Amino acid sequence: EVQLLESGGALVQPGGSLRLSCGASGFTFSTYVMSWVRQAPGKGLEWVSTIGGSGFNTYYADSVKGRFTISRDNSENTVYLQMNSLRAEDTAVYYCATRVSVEGSFDMWGQGTMVTVSS
Amino acid sequence: DIQMTQSPSSLSASVGDRVTLTCRASQSVSYYLNWYQQRPGKAPKLLISDTSRLQSGVPSRFGGSGSGTDFTLTISSLQPEDFATYFCQQSSSFPSTFGQGTKVEVK
Repeated sequence: EVQLLESGGALVQPGGSLRLSCGASGFTFSTYVMSWVRQAPGKGLEWVSTIGGSGFNTYYADSVKGRFTISRDNSENTVYLQMNSLRAEDTAVYYCATRVSVEGSFDMWGQGTMVTVSS
Repeated sequence: DIQMTQSPSSLSASVGDRVTLTCRASQSVSYYLNWYQQRPGKAPKLLISDTSRLQSGVPSRFGGSGSGTDFTLTISSLQPEDFATYFCQQSSSFPSTFGQGTKVEVK
């Protein structure tokens, strides 16, 4: 059974940092593109970042470029999102999701982890 | 970025109703249009990819159609578990963008 389990969400002050993790099981992790998608409270979905299977190719939404860094450890079947210089508008549930390709549908989703940026 | 607009924002329907949701792109996305279902407090779930490809395990009462800029998701006979919010997403052009969602509520 495919499982994606996010962790690391917390309450953090503006300007602070946080690292999210997403552990994967039930599929060959290294062959899948991985993404982070977020959803602000009561709002829609926003793609945040994507990383290729090897980890060399990364992509970011303009809203997070220069502040967030996506990475992966294929030996640990885990993808990370390092979030720096956090802003109130980064408050959201963060989901990790698999993709067959860099620009494709988001096929499998984790349950999400909540990030709240507030003083 | 390609803007995705869904209509209506919400609708009220009864079990057994035929429901049609619409998604419009600000420019052509060819057939690279995907639909997701999100139940309250849950993660989104991919229902349909590439306009009309039903994902494994998704009931056949769900159907997708369209091309270019105009797409529809149809639920042929609404079931109790279908009351949820539905999002479209274009995967034609970077960055991927989502519609704002259509909430299907109990009438």
